[in-house]
Amino acid sequence: DAGVTQSPTHLIKTRGQHVTLRCSPISGHKSVSWYQQVLGQGPQFIFQYYEKEERGRGNFPDRFSARQFPNYSSELNVNALLLGDSALYLCASSLRDDTNTEAFFGQGTRLTVV
Amino acid sequence: LAKTTQPISMDSYEGQEVNITCSHNNIATNDYITWYQQFPSQGPRFIIQGYKTKVTNEVASLFIPADRKSSTLSLPRVSLSDTAVYYCLVGATLNYGGSQGNLIFGKGTKLSVKP
Repeated sequence: DAGVTQSPTHLIKTRGQHVTLRCSPISGHKSVSWYQQVLGQGPQFIFQYYEKEERGRGNFPDRFSARQFPNYSSELNVNALLLGDSALYLCASSLRDDTNTEAFFGQGTRLTVV
Repeated sequence: LAKTTQPISMDSYEGQEVNITCSHNNIATNDYITWYQQFPSQGPRFIIQGYKTKVTNEVASLFIPADRKSSTLSLPRVSLSDTAVYYCLVGATLNYGGSQGNLIFGKGTKLSVKP
């Protein structure tokens, strides 16, 4: 089985632009979560979707939004990019929506805002 | 929300056993303790999970005392490839919707294994 796949792997954007990151979960997994990881820190929770419904939202501004499609893939959108949005964006999928379920992470998308 | 405290860094040599201890004084009754490993520029990878006493799998052991306020990840006979950041996590409960799906990562423990 393929693992969690994210695209693109690397991305360079200019301040003020918009970006869309994509994630395909492991087949059969209905929960997708997004995390932001800046250099030297642990991943920070952004969103969780389960069965196409938002189940959780971290402490991120409204410039960040996400959605989950009928096939359980997901998109993370970030508007009006700031330099501080430069980070590794990770997607994780799991069978269930609780933290006691093993989460499988993708390789991430490295976003650089210049 | 349960928080965790673990050492920022640890050094070891190949072939040694490494024990990383994590404190989680406010762990909730329903929370499990989970450890993830992360290599540079990769997503975290699940290592082991437990609720109480001892859990062992092919890569690690997890020791949890009766009060569950701490846990110890044990890596037997580490190799250079075990150099990574190790995160200790406990479950998080949100205030709405009953969802518990977000993992709360701290800064983790950076393990350096030397030859």
